[in-house]
Amino acid sequence: AQSVSQHNHHVILSEAASLELGCNYSYGGTVNLFWYVQYPGQHLQLLLKYFSGDPLVKGIKGFEAEFIKSKFSFNLRKPSVQWSDTAEYFCAVKDDYKLSFGAGTTVTVRA
Amino acid sequence: EPEVTQTPSHQVTQMGQEVILRCVPISNHLYFYWYRQILGQKVEFLVSFYNNEISEKSEIFDDQFSVERPDGSNFTLKIRSTKLEDSAMYFCASSELKRGMNTEAFFGQGTRLTVV
Repeated sequence: AQSVSQHNHHVILSEAASLELGCNYSYGGTVNLFWYVQYPGQHLQLLLKYFSGDPLVKGIKGFEAEFIKSKFSFNLRKPSVQWSDTAEYFCAVKDDYKLSFGAGTTVTVRA
Repeated sequence: EPEVTQTPSHQVTQMGQEVILRCVPISNHLYFYWYRQILGQKVEFLVSFYNNEISEKSEIFDDQFSVERPDGSNFTLKIRSTKLEDSAMYFCASSELKRGMNTEAFFGQGTRLTVV
C-alpha cells in the first residue's frame, strides 16, 4: 500500500514570497502524481500532474512541481505567491487502483 | 467543460437515519470513486467502482456503506444508519479509463453531510 506525506501542516507567508511544499510517497512502483488545491468553500481542483517525461511539471496559476524519483518526492513550488493562493494544497499519488491523498497543507498568504 | 455534479450540496440528517448521496459522473467516464474529508483532516479514499462492481474499498467502507449505479448516469453512496462520525464532506470523482496509469480523477463539488 502506498502512503503520501506532506511535510508542512500550515504555511504562512507574505505576498510575493516564494512557496515550496514538500510531498513524499512510499510506493515503489509506477505512479502518477498530482497536486490539488482546495480554495475556501470550493471543491478540489487539479493544479498539475505528472505522468511521465520531463520531471519538471508546470501547472496552472504559476505553479510547478518537480518529480525526483530517487527521493520519492514531488514538491510543489511557486516563485511569488499572491493573496489569492490562500488555500489547502493536497499532494496525491495514483497507482493502478486508487488515488491516495496526503494530509494537506494549509497555505495562508498575507497581503 | 464537462464536470462531476453532486447533490445535495448540504444534507443534515439525524443519527441512525439512512442517507443517499448522489453523483453524476462525467458521461464517458467508466471509473468512479467516493472520498470523504472530515473537517480539518485529509481527504480519505472510500471506494472505487467499475463495471457495476466495487474495485477497491478502504477499511472505512464497512457494511454501513454501499454504492450503486442505478441507471447508467447516477452513482450513489448510501449510508444505512448514520453515526455522528460520518459527518464529513463527501466527494465523488470519476476518471476516463477503467483503471491504470495516466488518468486523472475529476472531482465534484462535494456534499457536506452533517449528522445530528
